[in-house]
This record gives sequence, structure tokens and C-alpha cells, in this order.
Amino acid sequence: EIVMTQSPATLSVSPGERATLSCRASQSVSSNLAWYQQKPGQAPRLLIYGASTRATGIPARFSGSGSGTEFTLTISSLQSEDFAVYYCQQYNNWPLYTFGQGTKLEIK
Amino acid sequence: EVQLVESGGGLVKPGGSLRLSCAASGFTFSSYSMNWVRQAPGKGLEWVSSISSSSSYIYYADSVKGRFTISRDNAKNSLYLQMNSLRAEDTAVYYCARVVPIGGYFDYWGQGTLVTVSS
Repeated sequence: EIVMTQSPATLSVSPGERATLSCRASQSVSSNLAWYQQKPGQAPRLLIYGASTRATGIPARFSGSGSGTEFTLTISSLQSEDFAVYYCQQYNNWPLYTFGQGTKLEIK
Repeated sequence: EVQLVESGGGLVKPGGSLRLSCAASGFTFSSYSMNWVRQAPGKGLEWVSSISSSSSYIYYADSVKGRFTISRDNAKNSLYLQMNSLRAEDTAVYYCARVVPIGGYFDYWGQGTLVTVSS
């Protein structure tokens, strides 16, 4: 099983500032990595796939980078609606998908 | 508009059974692999099971293998999860999710249905 590890567990950032979230895979997943956003009481929403491609309708302030085992999600200028939990997911080893444990992005 | 609507959750005693359904609309259901993903209260996401578009390929997480059965009815645009021998640790919100063809990531999710296993 490929283990996905996200850091930090909680990130406190002020609105308008930049947020950088990390995701590490226990073995290479190539670029087969997705990021999801989840708000309380809602289903996850796809943000990024292929490590760096924004999903339809996702604002340009969201960007993804990385390949192999190290990945980053960057939110360039935080808006109030961006405070949520973010999950990375590898699909290189489909269908044995695995998710990271999540990073909670909270208002500082 | 793509819609996935889960139903069938509820309170069940340990050892009991429950059948979840996911009604799909707004896309050609028979062309997509589908998955169940769960989330225990206050916890992260856990993949549960996958089924290919024609039901030819079916996979389960080790945590549910032998107890859960995924199935689909393409004529009814519906996905199912039969859950037997339920345990307290199966308590979670269960989501159905569509898989992007030749991709593998999940582009649409339902709103989820809560399953609570408790005596």
C-alpha cells in the first residue's frame, strides 16, 4: 500500500497570504496525484489532478506542483472560502487508492 | 449536470446488514467506473471499493473484504454497496464517487449517507 503523508496537520494563515501544503508518498506515484478540498458537512471537491492541472472551475490562485514522491498545493492569496480541509490522493496504484490524512487550513 | 445521490444509511447493530444506493444522473453512467469512499466521524477519507463500468472488475479495501459487496445496475443508473457483518469501526459517512476514465481520480462525489453501527 502506498502511504500518503500530509504536512502540516493544521496550518494557520491570514486572509490574503499564501498557503503551502505538502504531501509525500511512500513510493513514487509519478504525477498521478490529486488534491481535494472539503468543507464541513460537504463532500470533497476535486481541485487538482495530474499533480498540477486545475479541475474545471477552480480559481487560478490554486496551483499544484511536484512529481514522484513530493507534492505541494499552493494557494496564492487566501480567500475566506478557502479555509477548509485539504486531502491529497494517489491514483498511480489504482484501484488501491490512498489518501493523505488531511491538512486543516484555518484562519490566523 | 452530474448528480450522485446516496441513500440507505442509518443506525444498525453490530453484526447487522445495510444496503447503500447511489443514484446517478447527468452523465452516461454505464461508461464510468465508480467507487465508494468513507469518512469516519472527524477522520480522513478511506477508499472502500471500486467497480468497473461493466462490473467486470471489482476491488475492495482489506478492511471490508469478505463483508461488503459492490454492484451496479446500469439500466437503473445506480450503484450499490451491500454491507454485512457490520462493526463499530464501519461507522462513517459513505460517499459514492465517479472515476475519470483514463485518469483514476474522482471528479464527482455525492453528498454522502451516514452509517452508524452501534448497539
